[in-house]
Parts: sequence; C-alpha cells; structure tokens
Amino acid sequence: AQSVTQPDIHITVSEGASLELRCNYSYGATPYLFWYVQSPGQGLQLLLKYFSGDTLVQGIKGFEAEFKRSQSSFNLRKPSVHWSDAAEYFCASHSGGGADGLTFGKGTHLIIQP
Amino acid sequence: DAGVIQSPRHEVTEMGQEVTLRCKPISGHNSLFWYRQTMMRGLELLIYFNNNVPIDDSGMPEDRFSAKMPNASFSTLKIQPSEPRDSAVYFCASRDSTNTGELFFGEGSRLTVL
Repeated sequence: AQSVTQPDIHITVSEGASLELRCNYSYGATPYLFWYVQSPGQGLQLLLKYFSGDTLVQGIKGFEAEFKRSQSSFNLRKPSVHWSDAAEYFCASHSGGGADGLTFGKGTHLIIQP
Repeated sequence: DAGVIQSPRHEVTEMGQEVTLRCKPISGHNSLFWYRQTMMRGLELLIYFNNNVPIDDSGMPEDRFSAKMPNASFSTLKIQPSEPRDSAVYFCASRDSTNTGELFFGEGSRLTVL
C-alpha cells in the first residue's frame, strides 16, 4: 500500500527567507506526486504535480519541487516566502492506475514570521 | 468553470439527527471522491465513484454513513444518526478521465455535531 510521510508538522519561516517542505513516499514503482495547499476555511488547491520526465517541476505561486527516486522524496521549495504563503501544505501520491484516490500526507503547517 | 460545488458550507446539528452533504462535480469529470478531514487523522478517503458507480467504500467509517451518486452531476453523503465524533470537514473532489490522478476539490462542508 502507498503511504506519504511529511515529517514536519509545523515549520516557521521568516518572510523573504527560503522554504523547503519535506515529503517522502512509499511505493514500489514511481508514483504520480502532487503538492496541494490549503488556506484556512478553503479547499485544497493544486500547486504542482510530477508524472515523469524532468525531475524538477515548476508550479504556481513560485513553488517548485524535485523528485528524487533514490531518496523516495518530493520536497517542495520556494526561494523567498511571502506572508500570504502561510497555509497548510499537503503532499500526495497516486499509483497511476485505476480510478483510486490520492494518498495524502498529514500536512505541514507553514507559519510566516514578519 | 464553476469548480466543485459543495453544500452546505457549514452545518451544526445535534447528535442523532440526519445530515446530508451535497456535491456537484466539475462538468465532464467522471470520478468523484468524498474525503473527511480531522486534526487527528488528516485527510481520509471515504468513498469514490467512477461513472456514478461506487468503486471502493472501504473508508466509510460505519453503517451510519452512506453515499449515492444518482447522476453524473450530483452526489450526496449521508450520516444517520450523527454523532459528535463525526464532526469534521468533508470534502468532495472530482477528476476527469485522463487518469493522471489530479483531484479538484470543493471548499468543503464543515460539520459540527453537538
């Protein structure tokens, strides 16, 4: 069975500083991988996704993520965070076959310090 | 596109009452998913439909929960009778037939059972 681990429950970053949120997946083959963001009281919005090809993927709002097969990781990065980036971030995986849903990590709560 | 539409956005009810949550998926999407989000368990997949047919309901907590999808543009999640431990945010999501895994989420229905 697939699993997704986000080791950091909370992360605090100063505005303007760089950000990296960690994600590790457990799946025999290469899964499809996603990062979603959830602002308070809102649904989940897709930031970026990886299926195959270039292991560095660009997303919306200046985010990027790098797939590293050797580390089973798909970490999310942003070079300079803004106060509006404060939110909950979810990493998710999909096996790529059938019609099943995404498997989500527990999420990382990002706090931005002024 | 209007996106996935859920109603109600907020529901407060008393223990033992019936609760019905509604979802309209994105037009043309053929898969629909119901997730539950709590602080303790994160995002849990309850049930999903493909072409209006329930495929996997193994995530439904117990017999008090039921879901239907009478047509391609409407689904309901019903809890009868409701209990305080059902308090959570319930998300509906839909996906198209390209099977790349990406889900489009509604804004959720926040349920509070007193």
